[in-house]
Amino acid sequence: EDKVVQSPLSLVVHEGDTVTLNCSYEVTNFRSLLWYKQEKKAPTFLFMLTSSGIEKKSGRLSSILDKKELFSILNITATQTGDSAVYLCAVDQYGGSQGNLIFGKGTKLSVKP
Amino acid sequence: NAGVTQTPKFQVLKTGQSMTLQCAQDMNHNSMYWYRQDPGMGLRLIYYSASEGTTDKGEVPNGYNVSRLNKREFSLRLESAAPSQTSVYFCASRARQGTRMVHQPQHFGDGTRLSIL
Repeated sequence: EDKVVQSPLSLVVHEGDTVTLNCSYEVTNFRSLLWYKQEKKAPTFLFMLTSSGIEKKSGRLSSILDKKELFSILNITATQTGDSAVYLCAVDQYGGSQGNLIFGKGTKLSVKP
Repeated sequence: NAGVTQTPKFQVLKTGQSMTLQCAQDMNHNSMYWYRQDPGMGLRLIYYSASEGTTDKGEVPNGYNVSRLNKREFSLRLESAAPSQTSVYFCASRARQGTRMVHQPQHFGDGTRLSIL
């Protein structure tokens, strides 16, 4: 059975800390891995990763994929209270339900001032 | 640019009532999806529509029906609501070229929070 596992499920840090969120997967016909940030409402897209070892960066956020070991990490440096959210990892498959994503359960990040 | 728009944002139903959740996207996407999100369960696919005129079941379709009214709109219907269907429902869309998915993410609406008493 295809699955995506995120860890930890929740995390509390203080402003200025650096955090690493983990996502491992066991999925047939892997196509890409995506990270989303979900605050109160819609999940918003952060990164799409298709190749191993190529870091994607956006400001204080970065992510990398390891297709041999079947995992990805999302790093957030110098965290701010605005980073508090649920971070979702999802995997896209070739030949899956016409572009459906398989989601992990998410990591809830709380950043305290 | 509105993106994906869902209505209503909130709804309370009694057991046995019916209801249709509406979703529309203005990005000219071919594929559309309905998910439900429950605490500790992540996002689970209910139904999807690869293109106008087609719909297929996802992981948790029981108790739901869908209609792909046109390219823009994809509705989700609960014929006889049950307390187990209390959840937050998200609609999403994605670009597609012919039979191939484009390497772009799904875009989500803001969700409908549905409570069934």
